[in-house]
Amino acid sequence: GENVEQHPSTLSVQEGDSAVIKCTYSDSASNYFPWYKQELGKRPQLIIDIRSNVGEKKDQRIAVTLNKTAKHFSLHITETQPEDSAVYFCAATKTSYDKVIFGPGTSLSVIP
Amino acid sequence: EAQVTQNPRYLITVTGKKLTVTCSQNMNHEYMSWYRQDPGLGLRQIYYSMNVEVTDKGDVPEGYKVSRKEKRNFPLILESPSPNQTSLYFCASSLEGLASGEQFFGPGTRLTVL
Repeated sequence: GENVEQHPSTLSVQEGDSAVIKCTYSDSASNYFPWYKQELGKRPQLIIDIRSNVGEKKDQRIAVTLNKTAKHFSLHITETQPEDSAVYFCAATKTSYDKVIFGPGTSLSVIP
Repeated sequence: EAQVTQNPRYLITVTGKKLTVTCSQNMNHEYMSWYRQDPGLGLRQIYYSMNVEVTDKGDVPEGYKVSRKEKRNFPLILESPSPNQTSLYFCASSLEGLASGEQFFGPGTRLTVL
């Protein structure tokens, strides 16, 4: 079955620097890759997603890139701010009505 | 207000005592799902439902049951809870399945099984 690995497990950056989180997946049939942000004590919320027919997607300071050949996708956060501190989860799924596999999460700390 | 609700939010119980965690959404979503969250393991899907009376196993279904008799409700049932089911549980829903767009999560239920 599908397996999603995520690295690093913890990441600490200075405010204003960039942060990059990488995920790899095992099932080449996976075609939808969302990223969720979970602040302490709160529920996960979608921040950006990408489909397999697209190589890159941007939304203000956040971007996601997908390399289908290598089966990995990455989250890029530029100009980090303290409010970016949270746990970030990547996920992969094959179709609309299929199970979802999440990565184990990355705890990002942005130091003011 | 569009939302996913879960009840109870906190529950302490004992081994073997059947319990149900309710989940309800008011967005007319087809796809609903249950996850458990454990430190270092992220979110793991327990069961999901594509529509009324259609459910399927996620990654960790053992020890759990679900039902989808109505579109808005998707209860999670633990017939005989055990301590290894102590976890934070999230219900979630999306309009037509995860790949069609955003999945909305409920506030979570923290379960402790003694």
